Amino acid sequence: DAKTTQPTSMDCAEGRAANLPCNHSTISGNEYVYWYRQIHSQGPQYIIHGLKNNETNEMASLIITEDRKSSTLILPHATLRDTAVYYCIVYNYNQGGKLIFGQGTELSVKP
Amino acid sequence: GAGVSQSPRYKVAKRGQDVALRCDPISGHVSLFWYQQALGQGPEFLTYFQNEAQLDKSGLPSDRFFAERPEGSVSTLKIQRTQQEDSAVYLCASSLRLGDSYEQYFGPGTRLTVT
Repeated sequence: DAKTTQPTSMDCAEGRAANLPCNHSTISGNEYVYWYRQIHSQGPQYIIHGLKNNETNEMASLIITEDRKSSTLILPHATLRDTAVYYCIVYNYNQGGKLIFGQGTELSVKP
Repeated sequence: GAGVSQSPRYKVAKRGQDVALRCDPISGHVSLFWYQQALGQGPEFLTYFQNEAQLDKSGLPSDRFFAERPEGSVSTLKIQRTQQEDSAVYLCASSLRLGDSYEQYFGPGTRLTVT
């Protein structure tokens, strides 16, 4: 299973863009990049996923490098409610659906 | 709409007691997952069901852990003879189908404390 590397923690000013990096240099061609976040005392919440192309939804944007060895999750206008642990996960359907979480990045959005 | 619910939200057990944790997935979700999350760590996979079939139990840490989903809906995670190292948050998640780019919807978790 491809592993991911994320910074342990990051700060972001409220209203500014939060850019969360993830390294997944051993990713295989059929593996997706998924992002989840976990707000304190809640279960993880799906944010976005992608294979090769950049993706955008109402929550965030996902930028995947051309060689797919790294990606960046972008929260365009971070709010205090975005304070959470963000997990970058490499997902292989052959895993049978299970998600393999790492340590994640603890994002603190400050006023 | 209703999300994934878990009960109880908090459980304190004395070492050696048996506990049962319940998960009510989103109606119609075929796949159901259990994860264990120790303090300060990311969730770790325990087991997975597709309908009533338990397809993967590779993450269950010992034979004291048992999960079932007899009618393909509600699931119960049972821990026998609890130990202190079992203290964790137990998360349940459901998703609409296996093997597709479908997100998993997580419940709030059950925090188990073994004293």
